[in-house]
Amino acid sequence: EVQLVQSGGGLVRPGGSLRLSCTASGFTFGTYWMNWVRQAPGKGLEWVANLEGNGNEKKYLDSVKGRFTISRDNAKNSLYLQMGSLRGEDTAVYYCARGSLIAAGLFENWGQGALVIVSS
Amino acid sequence: EIVLTQSPATLSLSPGERATLSCRASQSISPYLAWYQQKPGQPPRLLIYDTSNRATGIPARFSGSGSQTDFTLTISGLEPEDFAVYYCQCRHPWPPYAFGQGTKLEI
Repeated sequence: EVQLVQSGGGLVRPGGSLRLSCTASGFTFGTYWMNWVRQAPGKGLEWVANLEGNGNEKKYLDSVKGRFTISRDNAKNSLYLQMGSLRGEDTAVYYCARGSLIAAGLFENWGQGALVIVSS
Repeated sequence: EIVLTQSPATLSLSPGERATLSCRASQSISPYLAWYQQKPGQPPRLLIYDTSNRATGIPARFSGSGSQTDFTLTISGLEPEDFAVYYCQCRHPWPPYAFGQGTKLEI
């Protein structure tokens, strides 16, 4: 069974930093693109970043470029999102999501989410 | 950048009825349209990909159709567990992968 278990999240002041983690099981982690998708309170879904299985290629939403860094450790079956220079508009539930081998850009499985609140 | 517009914002129906949810794209994206279901306090779940393909384990009452810029998710014979928020998403060409704003299906 595919499982994505997230940790991290919490309350951080504007301008601060936070790291989210996502530990995978039930599949060959290094084979899949992995994504971060966020959802502001009461709002819709917004893709944030993704990372190729071998860690080489990565892409970001324009509004987080230069502030967020996606990374992975395939030996630990783990995905990370290092968030810096945080702003109020970054407040959201952040989900890690596994990509698909049959169709790029799909989110086949999701973690339980981690709430990040940026507030003074 | 592709913009997805879903309608209606809210759809009120009863169990057993048929639900028809729409998603319109700002440019042709056929067939790269997916649908997700999200229940309160839960992550989204993939239902349909590439317009009409059901994801693993999705019941046959969920079906997708459409082409170019206009897409539809149909739920035939609503079950109580189907009342949720539904999002469409475009997976092409490259990020950012756009989502629609959602349709809330309520009893």
